[in-house]
Amino acid sequence: DAGVTQSPTHLIKTRGQQVTLRCSPKSGHDTVSWYQQALGQGPQFIFQYYEEEERQRGNFPDRFSGHQFPNYSSELNVNALLLGDSALYLCASSSLAGGWNEQFFGPGTRLTVL
Amino acid sequence: SQQGEEDPQALSIQEGENATMNCSYKTSINNLQWYRQNSGRGLVHLILIRSNEREKHSGRLRVTLDTSKKSSSLLITASRAADTASYFCATATQGGSEKLVFGKGTKLTVNP
Repeated sequence: DAGVTQSPTHLIKTRGQQVTLRCSPKSGHDTVSWYQQALGQGPQFIFQYYEEEERQRGNFPDRFSGHQFPNYSSELNVNALLLGDSALYLCASSSLAGGWNEQFFGPGTRLTVL
Repeated sequence: SQQGEEDPQALSIQEGENATMNCSYKTSINNLQWYRQNSGRGLVHLILIRSNEREKHSGRLRVTLDTSKKSSSLLITASRAADTASYFCATATQGGSEKLVFGKGTKLTVNP
């Protein structure tokens, strides 16, 4: 039973570029949440997708957008990258059946913006 | 902004000793969860305690919750070198919000 998977593992971009990160949830999960973790900080909630729609959103600008596909996998897109977007991006999956209480995290994508 | 604040920020102990980490939060919660993170990688879920529970055990882990003080503690007994990691508390607020609000974490080092 595969857990949450994310790709790529590492990514280097330059300011102004756009990036797409991908996440596949744990088998049986239908909800994907994205978090940004800056160095030395705890993760911060970006948004959550359920039934292919953005269900909740944290305090992030519109440059951050996402998508969920019918197979429950998800993408996080960041446009017009800033140096401050350098962080570990974590995807977490959960299920409505489980009350969304326990979230299973992937290994993360380390994004470096130069 | 982050809701939880872990204390201490860093903790160094010897193998076999117990490690206690504390977490304080600001708003009413539905549940509080503890996670472990090794070397800046993915988070591993350790334990969830609901707002109507006061104590919970899982193996060598013991979590307490005091909603009147808006605080929680995580106790790791008989620590091992493999317990070396950062530990985060995360709160899920009331009102149907499933997003987790994390603190900054406690970095635990267990020396062999």
